[in-house]
Amino acid sequence: GAVVSQHPSRVICKSGTSVKIECRSLDFQATTMFWYRQFPKQSLMLMATSNEGSKATYEQGVEKDKFLINHASLTLSTLTVTSAHPEDSSFYICSAKIFTHVTDTQYFGPGTRLTVL
Amino acid sequence: GQQVMQIPQYQHVQEGEDFTTYCNSSTTLSNIQWYKQRPGGHPVFLIQLVKSGEVKKQKRLTFQFGEAKKNSSLHITATQTTDVGTYFCAGETAGKLIFGQGTELSVKP
Repeated sequence: GAVVSQHPSRVICKSGTSVKIECRSLDFQATTMFWYRQFPKQSLMLMATSNEGSKATYEQGVEKDKFLINHASLTLSTLTVTSAHPEDSSFYICSAKIFTHVTDTQYFGPGTRLTVL
Repeated sequence: GQQVMQIPQYQHVQEGEDFTTYCNSSTTLSNIQWYKQRPGGHPVFLIQLVKSGEVKKQKRLTFQFGEAKKNSSLHITATQTTDVGTYFCAGETAGKLIFGQGTELSVKP
């Protein structure tokens, strides 16, 4: 199946710093990628839809100036958490979408665990 | 907004017992997907159901998609300790996946 990687897998940073997370589709091109956030013992919440070559679409309640998304190529999307605070500590997961003539499938990355001190 | 409700939140079973988790969407879905997440891990894709009334089986797992494409279920027959984890349904609508709250399954040997 299709492979999606994320880097880094874990990051610990000080409050006020910015953190960049990369999401790559390794063996396919993805015009659409998604960013999710998962707090402990909770479900995945969609944060934004990342479209190659255009602005990301953010879900209600997600601050676009705090969570900067860039989808500069068909295989890479980045999420930058700006001026991170402890409440931003979470598990961030990306997914990439493959479209076929039958349906389309999302493939998830392994996630990035962010801890803000 | 669009919601996918999943019950139960937790299920504790004895090894060998059956297990079922249910999902219900407030809107008609284009498809529904099921994922399994082990503690500390990321969601792993299990299956996708697209057609109304569709039933799919994977060994001891049976997945159903309702006739109205608004509800779904996952049934595990004769659970094993390896089935432990959280099972999420995710309904696709308007090109986005909306995840249910998940059902955490624990299996006592």
